Amino acid sequence: GENVEQHPSTLSVQEGDSAVIKCTYSDSASNYFPWYKQELGKGPQLIIDIRSNVGEKKDQRIAVTLNKTAKHFSLHITETQPEDSAVYFCAASIPQGGSEKLVFGKGTKLTVNP
Amino acid sequence: KAGVTQTPRYLIKTRGQQVTLSCSPISGHRSVSWYQQTPGQGLQFLFEYFSETQRNKGNFPGRFSGRQFSNSRSEMNVSTLELGDSALYLCASSLRPSGSGGELFFGEGSRLTVL
Repeated sequence: GENVEQHPSTLSVQEGDSAVIKCTYSDSASNYFPWYKQELGKGPQLIIDIRSNVGEKKDQRIAVTLNKTAKHFSLHITETQPEDSAVYFCAASIPQGGSEKLVFGKGTKLTVNP
Repeated sequence: KAGVTQTPRYLIKTRGQQVTLSCSPISGHRSVSWYQQTPGQGLQFLFEYFSETQRNKGNFPGRFSGRQFSNSRSEMNVSTLELGDSALYLCASSLRPSGSGGELFFGEGSRLTVL
């Protein structure tokens, strides 16, 4: 299969709290998992990614964890700020006909309340 | 360095018409991917071109087609438009094919409304 399920669809947190977004994928051959952030009126931008040979990756307040056995990966944002408010998309590489394509989840709208 | 440029930014069509959208990638990028974005379905993969060859395609009907030129610019075409084709169409370019770990750089999209 080539589904990427993302939860929750909306998330509201208070400034300073942590936010966690979870994704699951169905193809065990998937090996690349990026996260994109889309601000209003703009195209998505890569914020962090992880490959299947790594279990966790951090970049300042953002971290991604990967559990290949369970086929799920998560985005963690600590000390959230109002500028973190955006739609976040997870994605997974899906093999197709000798190459790979990137399949996205349906997105999570994160609202950080000041 | 100029970003990904999509034209037109907004357009309105009626059912049955066809539409062509254009995407100019970042200079040096050979991969161009197209996505359809709707509120309920998120980002749905249409197709990807690399060096003028279609590498992958999504689960869209044959009314959706695309091509890539030798200068890496890409166009997508939708024929016999339906109301459900109303969406934001996003183009993304990358140095490497998207599934291999190449970062995608998205344009701001072309918003299509079908009446």
